[in-house]
Amino acid sequence: GEDVEQSLFLSVREGDSSVINCTYTDSSSTYLYWYKQEPGAGLQLLTYIFSNMDMKQDQRLTVLLNKKDKHLSLRIADTQTGDSAIYFCAEKRPGYALNFGKGTSLLVTP
Amino acid sequence: SAVISQKPSRDICQRGTSLTIQCQVDSQVTMMFWYRQQPGQSLTLIATANQGSEATYESGFVIDKFPISRPNLTFSTLTVSNMSPEDSSIYLCSVLAGVNGDEQFFGPGTRLTVL
Repeated sequence: GEDVEQSLFLSVREGDSSVINCTYTDSSSTYLYWYKQEPGAGLQLLTYIFSNMDMKQDQRLTVLLNKKDKHLSLRIADTQTGDSAIYFCAEKRPGYALNFGKGTSLLVTP
Repeated sequence: SAVISQKPSRDICQRGTSLTIQCQVDSQVTMMFWYRQQPGQSLTLIATANQGSEATYESGFVIDKFPISRPNLTFSTLTVSNMSPEDSSIYLCSVLAGVNGDEQFFGPGTRLTVL
């Protein structure tokens, strides 16, 4: 099947904002998700957005959705060293299970 | 949210043996999923496990290799049969939960190494 695309690596300084981008495959996807995976751990659901929204904010996290371009982004404000992890974008296509990207490895340096 | 536990958390197994992974959820859920995450890769869906019926397998995965049980709405098992080193992966259980069933939660995973 088609791939959800993410850049593989992002490095930011502590205190800066991080923006992780994702391009998904299906314009009929109903939900778009962001998961965080720390080393040796499972996936933590960070946030998700319904396809009829274009923005969702949750504390330091802001999700932007551009349905026309099938583009999703996750902005983390005031990034901390504890935010260092792999971030996965995923789309929920009708009738299908989640389709994941390959993950973006975020490194936060002091 | 749903709290999911998996046993074992990790194991090292010999080629040709089988391992059964257990998944327990703290609430009743209709749909449970089993995923595989190979080293450095994203997640791939193995199968969807519904209570009272046979699991539905994705392309490339078969019941003889990955038999699944779903005896009730809070529990499922995945068996990795006749293992080879290529089966070394993290295996994750997942459920749909939340107010509208929109949120998909994952267990902590079982890290399997096959020698």
